[in-house]
Amino acid sequence: EAGVTQFPSHSVIEKGQTVTLRCDPISGHDNLYWYRRVMGKEIKFLLHFVKESKQDESGMPNNRFLAERTGGTYSTLKVQPAELEDSGVYFCASSHSSYNSPLHFGNGTRLTVT
Amino acid sequence: SQKIEQNSEALNIQEGKTATLTCNYTNYSPAYLQWYRQDPGRGPVFLLLIRENEKEKRKERLKVTFDTTLKQSLFHITASQPADSATYLCALDRSSASKIIFGSGTRLSIRP
Repeated sequence: EAGVTQFPSHSVIEKGQTVTLRCDPISGHDNLYWYRRVMGKEIKFLLHFVKESKQDESGMPNNRFLAERTGGTYSTLKVQPAELEDSGVYFCASSHSSYNSPLHFGNGTRLTVT
Repeated sequence: SQKIEQNSEALNIQEGKTATLTCNYTNYSPAYLQWYRQDPGRGPVFLLLIRENEKEKRKERLKVTFDTTLKQSLFHITASQPADSATYLCALDRSSASKIIFGSGTRLSIRP
């Protein structure tokens, strides 16, 4: 089966610009998660979709971040306007079940805000 | 607040020895615990899952233990090889539809 794919793999933008990250989960996985690693720290949870619904968005840092999952398939994470502290690696993961199920991660999008 | 600690940032051991990594947690009652491996420039890859009512799980050269009294998990790699060099992450979840949270990882280096 095809794995989780993320696009782009790298993005360099200026402060104040907008960036949209995309994630295609494994086909049939209802659960989709966004995480990010900032400045070499631990991978931190951002939010969790079950199909097209946001199950938990407690990790979203502020209202500059908007995640969507239209039709319960792929997901986008938009940052608008980007700030310097948004730099980091954004990971997407999917799983078959929301409980007791391993996460399948993409290789991440490295975002650099200058 | 909930906290996950992995024993050390980096661990260096000789090839052939057993590597033991530690994951401790506080203010948390996970239903299960997972271990992942992450290589540079790649996303984490799932290795093993152990439930709260299981004491030990094995997969080839890997062994995980889960002690809910000590609030600790140990991850062992026996007969370690240079190819085992990577960052290893523990992750915990409490219940259905709950977010999975990760430790900061231990960077393991196996020298020939």
